Amino acid sequence: DTAVSQTPKYLVTQMGNDKSIKCEQNLGHDTMYWYKQDSKKFLKIMFSYNNKELIINETVPNRFSPKSPDKAHLNLHINSLELGDSAVYFCASSPGGASIHEQFFGPGTRLTVL
Amino acid sequence: AQTVTQSQPEMSVQEAETVTLSCTYDTSESNYYLFWYKQPPSRQMILVIRQEAYKQQNATENRFSVNFQKAAKSFSLKISDSQLGDTAMYFCAFRATDSWGKLQFGAGTQVVVTP
Repeated sequence: DTAVSQTPKYLVTQMGNDKSIKCEQNLGHDTMYWYKQDSKKFLKIMFSYNNKELIINETVPNRFSPKSPDKAHLNLHINSLELGDSAVYFCASSPGGASIHEQFFGPGTRLTVL
Repeated sequence: AQTVTQSQPEMSVQEAETVTLSCTYDTSESNYYLFWYKQPPSRQMILVIRQEAYKQQNATENRFSVNFQKAAKSFSLKISDSQLGDTAMYFCAFRATDSWGKLQFGAGTQVVVTP
């Protein structure tokens, strides 16, 4: 069974469109994350949710809106897509809290904006 | 704000040899966590090893070990007996203990293992 899954794995779309990426974890974790990996492979956190509540919101344009319907799911909706949004987006989860828990990553979604 | 620096963009090593990847970080925290993740061509992020800053003993996981120098803010990864399957991008990551798990990554080091 896949621990952290993302759909779709690949997404090609036109500038100006709106798209969503879904993430689900079956690990029973309390905390979920979205990271963006740019074309130079640099990884940066975007958002984090703990038990459906937003706890980290890095400097991300308002066009990006995360939604957590329950603690096993964290979706990412992107409005008015721009060329610069092309990247790989990773969802991750962890038990949360202050200890040295591993974050488990999904397989990533490669978004290409044309 | 913390920063994580990996100064080696790419390293090549022959099978069965040893390679060491460097990582330095900047923080004013006294306790924190450090990680090495690998990302093979499959794109999957896989935890290699982790270290708690208050533990002086260096972490080891099979062929992977770290050299943690807290005063120097250095956290290098040694891969012994390199295997072809070790070919991947390796990321060093920092996490403050009160940061709700936010990982801050270095730029990565591409390791290529050759036969």
